[in-house]
Amino acid sequence: DAGVIQSPRHEVTEMGQEVTLRCKPISGHDYLFWYRQTMMRGLELLIYFNNNVPIDDSGMPEDRFSAKMPNASFSTLKIQPSEPRDSAVYFCASSLKLQGSGGYTFGSGTRLTVV
Amino acid sequence: KQEVTQIPAALSVPEGENLVLNCSFTDSAIYNLQWFRQDPGKGLTSLLLIQSSQREQTSGRLNASLDKSSGRSTLYIAASQPGDSATYLCAVLKAGGTSYGKLTFGQGTILTVHP
Repeated sequence: DAGVIQSPRHEVTEMGQEVTLRCKPISGHDYLFWYRQTMMRGLELLIYFNNNVPIDDSGMPEDRFSAKMPNASFSTLKIQPSEPRDSAVYFCASSLKLQGSGGYTFGSGTRLTVV
Repeated sequence: KQEVTQIPAALSVPEGENLVLNCSFTDSAIYNLQWFRQDPGKGLTSLLLIQSSQREQTSGRLNASLDKSSGRSTLYIAASQPGDSATYLCAVLKAGGTSYGKLTFGQGTILTVHP
């Protein structure tokens, strides 16, 4: 398996523009998570899905953020409009079980810079 | 609210030393605890996962212990090598409640092993 695949690896955009981050989880994993990492706040859970259904989106910072999972092999995180304070590394992770022995597998992340 | 603290924030050691990284958490109601490694500009790599019913896990030169009642975990690295240089993150998965499914991360320990 190629692991969790995220794209793009780097994104530089101007304030006010729409940004879409993409994730392909490991095949067969029922859970998909979006995390954000910043120097100030470390790693924070934004939202997670179970079988393509959003379960907990309490970590989504504002209405400017939205996430979808149209099928078991694809998820997007969208920011519209983007702001400089959204600059961070966004990670996607997947897991077979929520609390199972397999743990979580993370993608390589998307480094977002909003100027 | 679960809080995870890692000590020390940074550690620099000569090659060959045995070392211990510490992680503490405030809410002992956890399903499991996971140690990750993060290289600069890269994603997270899972090192060890300890279920709440377990006391320790070992993989090669790494040994992780868990004392759930006291809210502590340690990651022991034997005979450290320059290739071990990275940021080590501890994360706990809450058992039930409103944060069910949420991995809470510590801020990490930046390890540098010099030749």
